[in-house]
Amino acid sequence: ETGVTQTPRHLVMGMTNKKSLKCEQHLGHNAMYWYKQSAKKPLELMFVYSLEERVENNSVPSRFSPECPNSSHLFLHLHTLQPEDSALYLCASSQEGRFSGANVLTFGAGSRLTVL
Amino acid sequence: QQQVKQSPQSLIVQKGGISIINCAYENTAFDYFPWYQQFPGKGPALLIAIRPDVSEKKEGRFTISFNKSAKQFSLHIMDSQPGDSATYFCAASRGTYKYIFGTGTRLKVLA
Repeated sequence: ETGVTQTPRHLVMGMTNKKSLKCEQHLGHNAMYWYKQSAKKPLELMFVYSLEERVENNSVPSRFSPECPNSSHLFLHLHTLQPEDSALYLCASSQEGRFSGANVLTFGAGSRLTVL
Repeated sequence: QQQVKQSPQSLIVQKGGISIINCAYENTAFDYFPWYQQFPGKGPALLIAIRPDVSEKKEGRFTISFNKSAKQFSLHIMDSQPGDSATYFCAASRGTYKYIFGTGTRLKVLA
């Protein structure tokens, strides 16, 4: 496996379900991100983890709960979601630092979430 | 202050033509301006990027033009090919990882 891998690629869930999205990066990066991609909207940053500590939380509803057990893995736990949460959820990673090529985001293919 | 405005929303170009996508920003603290390319079913991938100390950067058929005084930057795709059909996102960031993305441009290159 190379790059950033996300599972599942597609997920359909009811509003009362609990599910999780998984992300794994094989690049040795030290920062990981969750983005939400909705049609005709800018990519929306949800969470940032740097060196496994959460450093950014853009006021995301509590029904989304991130977890970063180590620098290679990132989870997004989902519960009691709303239909408007249906979107493509992208995981990304980067290597933070002050050198050429630093902080360039590498994205996974995304998890397409549909909330019924 | 934090927005990056991207236009057009969609673009259709004949094979061999020039595709031009424009972005405008407001925050003069931004110091890194990447363009990402996204194919259906894939995540965005870095295409080309520029820093504000240069006015133009070229990589193959892709060129970024940067106008610091106007706070605008654009992507030019020369000799556009059907394989370039994708969604293109501009972005701006300041220092670390705080990217602000545009809304995307869906490009279709006709064979």
